[in-house]
Amino acid sequence: GESVGLHLPTLSVQEGDNSIINCAYSNSASDYFIWYKQESGKGPQFIIDIRSNMDKRQGQRVTVLLNKTVKHLSLQIAATQPGDSAVYFCAENIAGGSNYKLTFGKGTLLTVNP
Amino acid sequence: DAGVIQSPRHEVTEMGQEVTLRCKPISGHNSLFWYRQTMMRGLELLIYFNNNVPIDDSGMPEDRFSAKMPNASFSTLKIQPSEPRDSAVYFCASSSSGGRVETQYFGPGTRLLVL
Repeated sequence: GESVGLHLPTLSVQEGDNSIINCAYSNSASDYFIWYKQESGKGPQFIIDIRSNMDKRQGQRVTVLLNKTVKHLSLQIAATQPGDSAVYFCAENIAGGSNYKLTFGKGTLLTVNP
Repeated sequence: DAGVIQSPRHEVTEMGQEVTLRCKPISGHNSLFWYRQTMMRGLELLIYFNNNVPIDDSGMPEDRFSAKMPNASFSTLKIQPSEPRDSAVYFCASSSSGGRVETQYFGPGTRLLVL
């Protein structure tokens, strides 16, 4: 889930398990969403995106699900590996707004135990 | 390929000092962004340049912050005077497609600590 305070929500999984990271967004006018991965000491890295006319999109080992009714987004990582350990956050772009502007969530820390 | 390059990677300074952060975008990219990341506020857009021209600086916190892009391969973000609340990680990102969100590539960031 998303952080509302000083501490990031955390998810700890065993290597090989599937991970599900959740994100709630607030603006019903948002029509484009991106999941980013941020490893320690690095900048955010694009993982996968989805537009509001879709409810599911799959990439390599990752799937993003979008539920517009409840304004919820999730990132599923299959067969989680130690290299997946990072902070993951979602970002939204508002339809009709600037196409360069994203509103970022505060992130979830994923820890993969070997 | 060299990605976005930022310097310094770490900066520790005292309150009241001037701080200059530097960014070299990916060659050929015509859009550049400065972001600030804190635990409290997450990642926030400070300013966006397109073809070296500032397009949106609505995220710049106050007059103590200024950004320049004198040419296509270099940008600076300056804080003068710095304050402890400016402590954060500052990211530069660049894009080749008019700044569209899905095409922004982030640099490694500059971790700033103002004492």
